[in-house]
Formats: sequence, structure tokens, C-alpha cells
Amino acid sequence: QSALTQPASVSGSPGQSITISCTGTSSDVGGYNYVSWYQQHPGKAPKLMIYEVSNRPSGVSNRFSGSKSGNTASLTISGLQAEDEADYYCSSYTSSVTWVFGGGTKLTVL
Amino acid sequence: QLQLQESGPGLVKPSETLSLTCTVSGGSISSSGYYWGWIRQPPGKGLEWIANIYYSGRTYYNPSLKSRVTISADTSKNQFSLKVSSVTAADTAVYYCARVEDLGREIGYWGQGTLVTVSS
Repeated sequence: QSALTQPASVSGSPGQSITISCTGTSSDVGGYNYVSWYQQHPGKAPKLMIYEVSNRPSGVSNRFSGSKSGNTASLTISGLQAEDEADYYCSSYTSSVTWVFGGGTKLTVL
Repeated sequence: QLQLQESGPGLVKPSETLSLTCTVSGGSISSSGYYWGWIRQPPGKGLEWIANIYYSGRTYYNPSLKSRVTISADTSKNQFSLKVSSVTAADTAVYYCARVEDLGREIGYWGQGTLVTVSS
């Protein structure tokens, strides 16, 4: 199975909004609403930020939102804050009953 | 509060078998509605899903690793384990154990991770 495609890096200034894309196929992202997003700070375990495309777990800021169109899912962070600087990974369930991650996107808050 | 803790050798020799155990507290691995799994992250690189085991015992593997990987569970100890055979330097990574929600297939809980280095 191939990794989902994410941009290697994105950046934005405090207060701005950014969007990270995650492109797969009809066998994963496009075929199921089982896309999730994870935030990882250096040296830490990943943290769930979005599940089932657009749902936020309890405790996650409403500045984080998710969406999907066709084979591409997106994570949008609005009102960027310094603490949002981290690596972000998307993940999808697949038709083969496996899970696949994106390559990761490094978010820099300028 | 659910907690997962990885344990196992931090150093494994090439061609040998890597063995890790995840001890779960605050919840039972026999409870319906969850998968229990392993994810790894080579230094400076991205996440790679390795394998899951359903609460029923059914197993699922990353096709690229399937020939070398075994996931199993010991419900009496509330633990699940990972074995990777014939390891090489490419298997050097931080290994995370995790709980995956059946309903949305998301990884809701992660262990802190343990670094395993493959070197002679």
C-alpha cells in the first residue's frame, strides 16, 4: 500500500489560517469517512486531532477542522498560534482492512 | 484513564527478532469495540502502521511487513505483543503501541513510544 500524499511543509503567521491536504485513492481516503489527523510535537507521541474526517475529540480546540472532497482530505487550522507548530499526519482506513499514514507535514508558525 | 506502556529491549542485533510488549491499564483489551496495534517511526521520518489485533483476536498486517511480523495478545495479563523477525537497520525506530476505535478507525490512545535500535 502507498502512503497518503501530504505537503512536506506549510507555514503561516500567528492569527492566520492554513490548510494541509492529504491525497489518497478511492480505496482509502475516497472510499471511507475514516480519515483522522494527528499532531506530533518533537519527542512526543502523536495526538489525535480529528477523526471520521471532521469530528474533534473532546479537548481539541475548535480552531482545528477537517473536511474531505473525493480522494483528498484536508485539515484547516484557523487563528494560528505558536503552540500549533508541529508535525501533522493524516491516516486512513483502507479497503484491505489496513491503515495507512501520510508522509507528514511540518507546520512552521512564522 | 487508559494508559499504554511499551517495554522490550532497546538494542537488537541484525538478523535477530525484535520483541515488544504493550501493557494496558485502565481498560481491558478484551473489551469489544477496539483494535490494539503497533505503529513505528524511524528517526526523523514519518509514521508507519505495522499491525492491529481486534478484541476478538483477529489480526491485520501491513502488507509490506506481513512476512516478518506477528502480533498477539495475552488477555490474562492485559498485554499485547509484537515480534519482527530478521531485523535490519531499517527497522530502527520508535515503536508505539496504540488503541484503535472500531467505530471510526482512529487511533485514540498512544503509548509514549520506545526506541529500538538495530545494530551489532
